[in-house]
Amino acid sequence: DVKVTQSSRYLVKRTGEKVFLECVQDMDHENMFWYRQDPGLGLRLIYFSYDVKMKEKGDIPEGYSVSREKKERFSLILESASTNQTSMYLCASSFSSGWFHEQYFGPGTRLTVT
Amino acid sequence: GQQVMQIPQYQHVQEGEDFTTYCNSSTTLSNIQWYKQRPGGHPVFLIQLVKSGEVKKQKRLTFQFGEAKKNSSLHITATQTTDVGTYFCAGEKGGGNKLTFGTGTQLKVEL
Repeated sequence: DVKVTQSSRYLVKRTGEKVFLECVQDMDHENMFWYRQDPGLGLRLIYFSYDVKMKEKGDIPEGYSVSREKKERFSLILESASTNQTSMYLCASSFSSGWFHEQYFGPGTRLTVT
Repeated sequence: GQQVMQIPQYQHVQEGEDFTTYCNSSTTLSNIQWYKQRPGGHPVFLIQLVKSGEVKKQKRLTFQFGEAKKNSSLHITATQTTDVGTYFCAGEKGGGNKLTFGTGTQLKVEL
């Protein structure tokens, strides 16, 4: 059973703080993704990674960075949190080969920046 | 950039009624996926469609991929309370498994 875990379900941070969101998957997936989910906007891709130490910008990378030092772990970093980064953050992973590219999601981290 | 629009944003039905959500992409897709997110949960993969004009069924759910591979639909026959949630389409263009998600349709089912 594929498992994607995220370090926190709920997080409250202050404006200007540096925030780390961690994601770990146990299926040896090559691809990992970070999305944010906001009402009426669906899921928007922040960053993704095809391999260790590789990263690609998604559709809304501004204000975020990522780190992938190990295959199973993908971290999202908010260098200086702002109130407009209050959101639900979802991590996902998938295989890169094969016909089906199903993404497996973690439970999400609801981040509030005050 | 690629955009994927989904309508309606909300749908409220009586149990037993049918439900359809539509997805339209601004560009031709290599495949389209559908996900379901239960209230308080995370998106869970339902299906992937690859071929032009493809139709797939999962029990009461019917998925279609348009001939031009730019639009898709999900139809639920005789909704049940277990169908409650938000349904997202997600389009993949080219390779790499980079998906562009639609805005989602939130389905509520009343007894």
